[in-house]
Amino acid sequence: QVQLVESGGGLVNPGGSLRLACAASGLSFTDHYMSWIRQAPGKGLEWVSYISSSGSTTYYADSVKGRFTISRDNGRNSVYLQMDYLRAEDTAMYYCARDRLGISSWPTGGMDVWGQGTTVTVSS
Amino acid sequence: SYVLTQSPSVSVAPGQTARITCGGNNIGSKSVHWYQQKPGQAPVLVVYDDNDRPSGIPERFSGSNSGSTATLTISRVEAGDEADYYCQVWESSSGDLVFGGGTTLTVL
Repeated sequence: QVQLVESGGGLVNPGGSLRLACAASGLSFTDHYMSWIRQAPGKGLEWVSYISSSGSTTYYADSVKGRFTISRDNGRNSVYLQMDYLRAEDTAMYYCARDRLGISSWPTGGMDVWGQGTTVTVSS
Repeated sequence: SYVLTQSPSVSVAPGQTARITCGGNNIGSKSVHWYQQKPGQAPVLVVYDDNDRPSGIPERFSGSNSGSTATLTISRVEAGDEADYYCQVWESSSGDLVFGGGTTLTVL
C-alpha cells in the first residue's frame, strides 16, 4: 500500500519544540524530493520546507526559517521536521508530500503522494 | 516573493464547465500544478506540468497556462467535484514552493 504516515503532532506551549516524522511505505522514496506543507484551521495550503533526495539541499519558507529544520533518513524511508521556538501562528495540520519526479535537480514535478497529516497546536 | 492569485470561489451547475484561474507574474514560463482538497482530506494532485493528469484522474480535468494566467478546467462538473482547488509552482529565483490561496468550487 502506497502511503506516507505523519506522526509527532500534539499540543505544545509557545516557545516549545516538536519533532514531526513522516514514514513512507510501498513507494519510491530515496530518489525524490520531500516537502512539508501546513494548513492552519480554515486556511489555505502553505509550503514549509523541502529536502532533496540526498538531503544535501534544504529550503524553508521565510515564516519558519531559523526555527525549523528538515532532515531525512533514507535507510528508514523517513523525513523529519524539527520545530523549535514554536508560535501560536504555527498551529496547523502538517502534511508531508513526495515530489512526483525522481532524480530531479529541483522539486518541480508537483506533489503526487500526500500523508493524512498530523495536527500541531501551539497554545498555553 | 512570488504571489499566485486565485478567486475565492466559483459556482457552477452540474454538467457545466468550471474554470478556475491562477494569476502570477509571467506564470506562463513556469510549470503549474493543481490540487483538489475535499473537507477533512489531504490534497490530491489533479493536474501537473500545466496540463498533464496523474493516473486515475478523469479526463474531465484539464489545464492550460499562458502569459499571466493558468487555468484549471473541469468539464461536465459532478457533485463530487465540489472541493477547494489550489495552484502551485516552484519559483526558481528564490527556490520556494508557492501555493495560490485556493478556490472553493461549489456545485449548485
